Amino acid sequence: EVQLVESGGMVVRPGGSLRLSCVASGFSFPDHDMHWVRQAPGKGLEWISLISWEGANTYYADSVKGRFTVSRDNSKNSLYLQINGLTADDSGLYYCASGTHLDFWGHGTPVTVSS
Amino acid sequence: NFLLIQPHSVSESPGKTVTISCTRSSGNIASSYVQWFQQRPGSSPTTVISEDTRRPSGVPDRFSGSIDISSNSASLTISGLRPEDEADYYCQSYDRTNQRLFGGGTKLTVL
Repeated sequence: EVQLVESGGMVVRPGGSLRLSCVASGFSFPDHDMHWVRQAPGKGLEWISLISWEGANTYYADSVKGRFTVSRDNSKNSLYLQINGLTADDSGLYYCASGTHLDFWGHGTPVTVSS
Repeated sequence: NFLLIQPHSVSESPGKTVTISCTRSSGNIASSYVQWFQQRPGSSPTTVISEDTRRPSGVPDRFSGSIDISSNSASLTISGLRPEDEADYYCQSYDRTNQRLFGGGTKLTVL
């Protein structure tokens, strides 16, 4: 069974930083592209970032380019998202999803940016 | 870049058929695959249609996807509506730079 478990979300002050993690199991993590997607409270889905299976290629939404950095450690079946310069607009539930077409999703980790 | 435009909400009665559209604002709808996700309240999204028309294992055949080049849109059709189909539905595609995009989502109410 595919499992994706996100962690690292918390309440952070504006301007702060955060590192989110996603641990995968139940499939061959090193063979799959991985994504981060977020959802603000009561709003729709917003794609954030993609990292290729070997980690060589990364892609970002224009809204987060320069502040977010995606990485992965295939030896640990883990995906990461480093977020800097947090603003209130970054608040929401952050999901990791596996596969080119976001085939499977985790349950998300909540990020709240508040002073 | 382009937008994926969905109706804000649709509603239909149990047992009926409903179709949710996803219109690409520019560029050819057929140039990149469209996926459809179902998100029930309080739950994570799950895939109901991948690569325009493919139904993942475990998704009932009441769910089907299609592409219409003439209207530059994708559609998700759900037949034999059940109360448990009530959810938000999102279409998703990608551009030439590999950025993914989601539609704004459609709230399906099963009356």
